[in-house]
Amino acid sequence: DAGVIQSPRHEVTEMGQEVTLRCKPISGHNSLFWYRQTMMRGLELLIYFNNNVPIDDSGMPEDRFSAKMPNASFSTLKIQPSEPRDSAVYFCASSPRQNRDTIYFGEGSWLTVV
Amino acid sequence: AQKVTQAQTEISVVEKEDVTLDCVYETRDTTYYLFWYKQPPSGELVFLIRRNSFDEQNEISGRYSWNFQKSTSSFNFTITASQVVDSAVYFCALSAWTVVFGPGTRLSVLP
Repeated sequence: DAGVIQSPRHEVTEMGQEVTLRCKPISGHNSLFWYRQTMMRGLELLIYFNNNVPIDDSGMPEDRFSAKMPNASFSTLKIQPSEPRDSAVYFCASSPRQNRDTIYFGEGSWLTVV
Repeated sequence: AQKVTQAQTEISVVEKEDVTLDCVYETRDTTYYLFWYKQPPSGELVFLIRRNSFDEQNEISGRYSWNFQKSTSSFNFTITASQVVDSAVYFCALSAWTVVFGPGTRLSVLP
């Protein structure tokens, strides 16, 4: 079985540009998570979906960030406009059920905003 | 509120030493799960173990063992006879209403 697939793996972009990160969860998993990892703040949960519906987006830093899950096999995290402080590793993860179940992570998208 | 504390920021040991990584959690839920993940230098997050709040039995998997004590809200992880390949950041996580990760402990195993 394929794991969680994220793209791009690495992205360098200029401040002000739009960034779109993509995620394909493990087939059959009902929950999808977006995390951000930085040295200063560690692993932060940005948003999670259950059955394609956003359940908790309280971790989304500000209006520049948005996430969608149009179907069970695809999700995007968009940053518009991007800023240097958005530089981080963004992980997508999925789990079979909402909460209390093992979360499986993708390899991460390394974003650098210059 | 949910919180995970990993008080040890960094630990260095010499190969073949045993090492214990501490994890203390807080939650008001009576049903919850605890996890450990490993993040090697390559960056991916690798699932190691899941424990539910009703199962306090300790678990051993090869050189890894986990000690869950509800009375002290702790879920500690011990690596026996550490190896250089164990060098990584280890995260403890709590899942109740939402999933919260601790800050991680960076383990360096020196040859």
